[in-house]
Amino acid sequence: AQSVTQLDSQVPVFEEAPVELRCNYSSSVSVYLFWYVQYPNQGLQLLLKYLSGSTLVESINGFEAEFNKSQTSFHLRKPSVHISDTAEYFCAVSAGIRGGAQKLVFGQGTRLTINP
Amino acid sequence: DGGITQSPKYLFRKEGQNVTLSCEQNLNHDAMYWYRQDPGQGLRLIYYSQIVNDFQKGDIAEGYSVSREKKESFPLTVTSAQKNPTAFYLCASSRSGRSDTQYFGPGTRLTVL
Repeated sequence: AQSVTQLDSQVPVFEEAPVELRCNYSSSVSVYLFWYVQYPNQGLQLLLKYLSGSTLVESINGFEAEFNKSQTSFHLRKPSVHISDTAEYFCAVSAGIRGGAQKLVFGQGTRLTINP
Repeated sequence: DGGITQSPKYLFRKEGQNVTLSCEQNLNHDAMYWYRQDPGQGLRLIYYSQIVNDFQKGDIAEGYSVSREKKESFPLTVTSAQKNPTAFYLCASSRSGRSDTQYFGPGTRLTVL
């Protein structure tokens, strides 16, 4: 069965500092990996995803994540954060289920707090 | 604008009452999902539906029920059998397939008084 572990429940950083949010997964099949962001009292929005090909994937707002098969990791990074990046971030792995549907298995979430 | 709507945003319920949460999508997606979110536990799958008139239990289906009579609608009923219903409920939809992105609604926060 697939599982996801986000190693940090909270990450406080100063504005314009770099940040890394760690995610490790376990899966017995080929993986599709996702990072979602959730702002307070809102739904989740897709940040980026890895399906195949280049192991480095990027989002439009400066985040990037690297798929590392040997370490079963998909860490999220940003070289310089802004106050507006304050949110909760979820890593997820896609598992195939009955009828070809998709089940997302989520990590516990990492709350990123940006301090001025 | 295409998207997913959930209503109401906030819902209060007395113990012993059933309550239904609405989820509508106009993305023409085949698959729809209900998740429950509790602090520090991520999201857990309650039910999912791949096509109209078909749905399957997820990891925590006990105390919940769903229907899928129309492609664009997937309401969730929280029954009195659910022992701890206070949570944030999120609806999502996607095209079929493991690699497709799930799109989420804004959520409904249910509080049992």
